[in-house]
Amino acid sequence: EAQVTQNPRYLITVTGKKLTVTCSQNMNHEYMSWYRQDPGLGLRQIYYSMNVEVTDKGDVPEGYKVSRKEKRNFPLILESPSPNQTSLYFCASSSRTVSSGNTIYFGEGSWLTVV
Amino acid sequence: AQTVTQSQPEMSVQEAETVTLSCTYDTSESDYYLFWYKQPPSRQMILVIRQEAYKQQNATENRFSVNFQKAAKSFSLKISDSQLGDAAMYFCAYRSNNDMRFGAGTRLTVKP
Repeated sequence: EAQVTQNPRYLITVTGKKLTVTCSQNMNHEYMSWYRQDPGLGLRQIYYSMNVEVTDKGDVPEGYKVSRKEKRNFPLILESPSPNQTSLYFCASSSRTVSSGNTIYFGEGSWLTVV
Repeated sequence: AQTVTQSQPEMSVQEAETVTLSCTYDTSESDYYLFWYKQPPSRQMILVIRQEAYKQQNATENRFSVNFQKAAKSFSLKISDSQLGDAAMYFCAYRSNNDMRFGAGTRLTVKP
């Protein structure tokens, strides 16, 4: 089954304690990205990756890091989480072929609370 | 920067009736894609419908259809014969190359 898997799904952590949210896709997609969803703001892009070893900032990259060492994985790293990073996070992937219509496939979301 | 605007934070519809959700976007690109995603209470993001900008014909998926007005940069979603299961948050989205942007969402309530 084609899917994007992110873990953990739910996490409560304390300010300053480094954490990583993993993301993996099994569709051999080149493009992967991270979004955060906050009330009234929709989804905002944090980082994206066009392919292995190629990453770039989205609209709200401050406080986050990513890496793309393998095509299937795209972890999101919060080096020193702060309460304003409390949010619902989505990992997503996409093929770049025209036939796919550039459709973005989403993981199930990760609820992160920083206290 | 490209922006996506959903001017209706909330909408309601009677079961079996038709409702239209509005979306406008701003872009200088000629080649792009537009999407509507549904987010039920589970928070899962579910693709409802997709439209390629180079296609003049409006996309249709069963009870869901769009009214794509490229010159006006408008992309509305029409839901016919609304069902209780259609109740959700709906996001309009734009994609061009690496740029993917979402509107703030419209919460749809379906009344029995």
